[in-house]
Amino acid sequence: QSALTQPASVSGSPGQSITISCTGTSSDIGSFNYVSWYQQHPGKAPKLLIFDVSNRPSGISHRFSGSKSANTASLTISGLQAEDEADYYCSSYTTRSTLEFGGGTKLTVL
Amino acid sequence: EVQLVQSGAEVKKPGESLRISCKGSGYTFRSYWISWVRQMPGNGLEWMGRIDPTNSNTKYSPSFQGHVTISADRSISTAYLQWNSLKASDTAMYYCTRHHLMQEPFDFWGQGTLVSVS
Repeated sequence: QSALTQPASVSGSPGQSITISCTGTSSDIGSFNYVSWYQQHPGKAPKLLIFDVSNRPSGISHRFSGSKSANTASLTISGLQAEDEADYYCSSYTTRSTLEFGGGTKLTVL
Repeated sequence: EVQLVQSGAEVKKPGESLRISCKGSGYTFRSYWISWVRQMPGNGLEWMGRIDPTNSNTKYSPSFQGHVTISADRSISTAYLQWNSLKASDTAMYYCTRHHLMQEPFDFWGQGTLVSVS
């Protein structure tokens, strides 16, 4: 069982927006702004989408955005595209100087 | 171009030992920590532990402490993940990834090494 809780699946139609939640505790998400989000397509390595809650690395589309409130972080994907269909994982630094991942969310573009 | 190139797939028997590698290039290897991440078949990502190549200081997830060993040889810009006695439950894809400090994002990932134990 993962320390961070994500919905197992979400879905949306092309052009729509979806939000994936990531719920932790006061020992991880609630204590730091060190939340990252990763996208993983089947058979591929994960790819960094968002870091430090809401920052995008160079080359990542503005359609991806992140936020945080208390112990819950969220990833929003706007203007859904077929290529967005993938697994998404959140991660957070913890008070034990370790890193936790969420269980992952499978995004289906209808 | 930053690259983390991992060693090839392995097929082993329970009880055997194994060391897989991750070679960094295109950046100053000692300037970034290396973490290892496990992904069991059909499952999510699990952080196993990390190493600082500058001084070989390591930290492990409690779930993996004592079960694996992480090491590095900065002279050849390579990090390693080692098992002394494999179990069938070690069957998984293993990724290496780099980051500055533990709280910083994993910005580049290796291609993964598939380990099969049966």
